[in-house]
Amino acid sequence: QVQLVQSGSELKEPGASVKVSCKGSGYTFTTYGINWVRQAPGQGLEWMGWINTNTGNPRYVQGFTGRFVFSLDTSVSTAYLQINSLKAEDTAVYYCARGRGSCTTTSCHFDYWGQGALVTVSS
Amino acid sequence: DIQMTQSPSTLSASVGDRVTITCRASQSISTWLAWYQQKPGKAPKLLIYQASSLESGVPSRFSGSGSGTEFTLTISSLQPDDFATYYCQQYNTYSPRLTFGGGTKVEIK
Repeated sequence: QVQLVQSGSELKEPGASVKVSCKGSGYTFTTYGINWVRQAPGQGLEWMGWINTNTGNPRYVQGFTGRFVFSLDTSVSTAYLQINSLKAEDTAVYYCARGRGSCTTTSCHFDYWGQGALVTVSS
Repeated sequence: DIQMTQSPSTLSASVGDRVTITCRASQSISTWLAWYQQKPGKAPKLLIYQASSLESGVPSRFSGSGSGTEFTLTISSLQPDDFATYYCQQYNTYSPRLTFGGGTKVEIK
């Protein structure tokens, strides 16, 4: 069965970096893009962008450029989200989600989700 | 960006009730709309895509309709497992970003 399994919760100080992993299984990893979605405490869902698992090309939405980095290790079917220079407002649950459709043309929805990774930024 | 507005933000209902949630897009998105269910502490779950297509494994009491700018999610007979927050998401081709509605929390009356 298709699964996306994310790394665990992280507590980081402001200014530090964090790297969240998302391991896919039960399907051919390189045939579906991986999207990243943020959910701040008590808030709704916000699409951060996606990475093409076939080409490795990332696409970042405005507001998630500069400090946010999407990467891959296809040898272990894993996508990564790295956030640098962490700020208190980065505190959120970060989800990876498999894109179905054409994420290249932003015409995709999300059929499988990871369980989420809580990143807490606090001194 | 295409703005998605859901109503109501909170809905109180009883088991067995018919429940309808509305999602409006700021511009036409044809039928490029999905609905998700999220329970506390859990990831969202895909219920409906292409406005009215039921995702495999989702109970048939869930249905979606609409096109253009107005969409609805209907639960024909609310079950205890359905108390959750529901989000719509537009995925109109070449829109600058994929966007979600603000969510509708379905509570026990």
